[in-house]
This record gives sequence, structure tokens and C-alpha cells, in this order.
Amino acid sequence: KNQVEQSPQSLIILEGKNCTLQCNYTVSPFSNLRWYKQDTGRGPVSLTIMTFSENTKSNGRYTATLDADTKQSSLHITASQLSDSASYICVVSAETNAGKSTFGDGTTLTVKP
Amino acid sequence: DAGITQSPRHKVTETGTPVTLRCHQTENHRYMYWYRQDPGHGLRLIHYSYGVKDTDKGEVSDGYSVSRSKTEDFLLTLESATSSQTSVYFCAIRGTEHLGGYTFGSGTRLTVV
Repeated sequence: KNQVEQSPQSLIILEGKNCTLQCNYTVSPFSNLRWYKQDTGRGPVSLTIMTFSENTKSNGRYTATLDADTKQSSLHITASQLSDSASYICVVSAETNAGKSTFGDGTTLTVKP
Repeated sequence: DAGITQSPRHKVTETGTPVTLRCHQTENHRYMYWYRQDPGHGLRLIHYSYGVKDTDKGEVSDGYSVSRSKTEDFLLTLESATSSQTSVYFCAIRGTEHLGGYTFGSGTRLTVV
């Protein structure tokens, strides 16, 4: 069964600090992995997409990494801001998913002043 | 979000009444999805559609039905609402292009009293 596990479940950091969120998956055959950001009361929005051949991809202060061998991804947030407070969701798609992907439960990040 | 709208945004209904939520897209995307999101849970797939009149069940489909008579509209119906269906419902769309991601609506907050 395809699964996506995210850790930690929640995280509190001070403004300006860095943090790293983890995503482990067992989706096969792997196609791509996306990180989404969901602000309170809004729908998720895509931050980055990683394919099998990509190790690292950046989007501003967000940097995603992928290790396809160990089936792990991380999302690193640099110099956090109050606006980074949100839920971060890892979504993994298989090559033969007939339009469906596997969602993680998300990590809730709170950035405090 | 651009290209996808959900209605209503908020609804309060009584137990046992039927409820229909609407998702409308202007992107002409093939795939449409309904998710529910509850505290302590991630996004859980209720039903999805891979074309007009083509739908399939997700992991939490009991008590819900869907219809897609046009490419742009995907309706979610609670035949007889129960308190356990109090939730935030998100619609999402996705195209058929390789590596295409999800675009989510802004959500419908449904309260069953």
C-alpha cells in the first residue's frame, strides 16, 4: 500500500530560525513528489516539485531535497518569517496512479516572534 | 484560487437533511477531486472524477455521492447529513500533463447540527 509519513507532526520555532520538515514515502513506481503549503482557512498551494533525477530544488527560502534511494524528502525553511506559519503537506505521485496521489498528514509549523 | 471555485463557502445544516456542495473549474482539467479535512487528519479523498460521468470512490466515500455531468462542474452530495460529516471540504483539479499538480479551491466549511 502506498504511504506517506511526515514528521514532526507539529513544530514551533522563533522567527529568523531555520527548520527542516521530513517526508518518508513508500509510493511505487515513483513519479514525483510535491510539497504544498496550506495557510489557515485556505486550500494548499504547491511550493516545489521533485522528480526522480532531482536532488535539490529551491523556491526562495524553501529548499526541498529528495533521496530516491531511501525514499525520503525534506523541506528546509531558512530565516523563518511569521508568514511561514502554516501546514506543510507532502504529496507523492506514482507513474500508474490513475490520477490519484498519496498525501501525508502534514506538519503544522508555528513561527513565533 | 484562480480557475476553481467552491460554493457555498460556509453552510450550517441539520442532521438528516441532504446537502450539495459545488465545485466549478474554468481550466478544462480532466481530473476533479473532493477531499475532507478534519483536525488531526490530513486531506482524505472522498471521491474523484477522471472525466464526464466517470467517477470513483476514495478512502472515505461512505455517505457521499458525486456527479459530473459537465467537465467544469463536480458536485458532492451528502444524502442525509450526519454530525460526523461536519468538516472542511476541499475540491481540487488536475490536468493530464506530465508532472501536473493539484490546484485546490478555498474550501467549504460544513457544520451539521
